[in-house]
Amino acid sequence: SAVISQKPSRDICQRGTSLTIQCQVDSQVTMMFWYRQQPGQSLTLIATANQGSEATYESGFVIDKFPISRPNLTFSTLTVSNMSPEDSSIYLCSVVGASNEQFFGPGTRLTVL
Amino acid sequence: GESVGLHLPTLSVQEGDNSIINCAYSNSASDYFIWYKQESGKGPQFIIDIRSNMDKRQGQRVTVLLNKTVKHLSLQIAATQPGDSAVYFCAENGQAAGNKLTFGGGTRVLVKP
Repeated sequence: SAVISQKPSRDICQRGTSLTIQCQVDSQVTMMFWYRQQPGQSLTLIATANQGSEATYESGFVIDKFPISRPNLTFSTLTVSNMSPEDSSIYLCSVVGASNEQFFGPGTRLTVL
Repeated sequence: GESVGLHLPTLSVQEGDNSIINCAYSNSASDYFIWYKQESGKGPQFIIDIRSNMDKRQGQRVTVLLNKTVKHLSLQIAATQPGDSAVYFCAENGQAAGNKLTFGGGTRVLVKP
């Protein structure tokens, strides 16, 4: 299975600021995703991070709010822009392994004041 | 602890008993299903998966049953242990849609000693 790390593990931010979350995988993977888990809720897909091209966003999520980079097959970043308290969530990256299993990182716990 | 699972249905199980967690899915075109376990403060952990051409699959102490007729999925945990206490999510993987996961609402399992 892929080993995934995320930075930061948690942060407390002021409204109006932006936070960039990093996701690092220990092996090259084709498919990488970003999910949001709001307090007490299940996971919702934000976007597919495409290597070398623009991310593909799900309904309700836009690039201006959640810009994503994927410079290579082992790394991606998600930025939460112009944050409000409603953005307080756990943000998780995931990757698809060789056997088509999907593995998740430990998550970044964001609190916006 | 984290806030994951605060508003989710809860299954209380006596240690040593079997647990059954249920999940209904909506997309009849889904062809791959996964169960994840999420412990407090961690990302979802892959437990077991099943493809739509099967109706049962067994792992170590876990069994997944798939009923495509009524679009129902269940996870059975044998001889539940304290370490099984977590939130459990089912997810549909639409491989025709690029491996994107759609998560169910989740069930919190509490194991009583």
